[in-house]
Amino acid sequence: GAVVSQHPSRVICKSGTSVKIECRSLDFQATTMFWYRQFPKQSLMLMATSNEGSKATYEQGVEKDKFLINHASLTLSTLTVTSAHPEDSSFYICSARGARISGELFFGEGSRLTVL
Amino acid sequence: SQQGEEDPQALSIQEGENATMNCSYKTSINNLQWYRQNSGRGLVHLILIRSNEREKHSGRLRVTLDTSKKSSSLLITASRAADTASYFCATGRQGGSEKLVFGKGTKLTVNP
Repeated sequence: GAVVSQHPSRVICKSGTSVKIECRSLDFQATTMFWYRQFPKQSLMLMATSNEGSKATYEQGVEKDKFLINHASLTLSTLTVTSAHPEDSSFYICSARGARISGELFFGEGSRLTVL
Repeated sequence: SQQGEEDPQALSIQEGENATMNCSYKTSINNLQWYRQNSGRGLVHLILIRSNEREKHSGRLRVTLDTSKKSSSLLITASRAADTASYFCATGRQGGSEKLVFGKGTKLTVNP
């Protein structure tokens, strides 16, 4: 199957700093990428849909100024958690769907963010 | 909001037994998918069943879909310890939305 790489896998930062998480599709062009957040023992909560070359569409309740999403190319989307707080600590997962791939999503391995 | 609701929330079985997980959803769907997640890892796509299909097989996996009851089941036959993971159903909604809505998942433990 297609490969999605997510980096970093783990990051620890201090309150008030910003953290960038990258999501790359390695062997296909991802016209659409999705960013999810997952709390311990919970399901995935969709945060936003990222389309290449346009602004991300955020889900209700997700602060777009706090979670900046950029999808500048067909293989890269980034999520920046700005002015991080301890409550932002979570597992963030990206997924991607290619132009010719219907239905199935390919997921990155996730990024564990811990804000001290 | 989460649409899919899996049950049971947790399932513990012995190797060799079959594991059945169920998923219910609320709105009309285009397709329903099952994913697997090992602890602390990303999700892996297992199988997709379209709204006009009733049953689908892939190796030891069997998925059924009943659109009249808005429910699906995932059966893993002859389970192995390596099947231990959380399993999520996700629905693609009718109307062309690309978004998948995930259920809360079933944590499966297969004891050797």
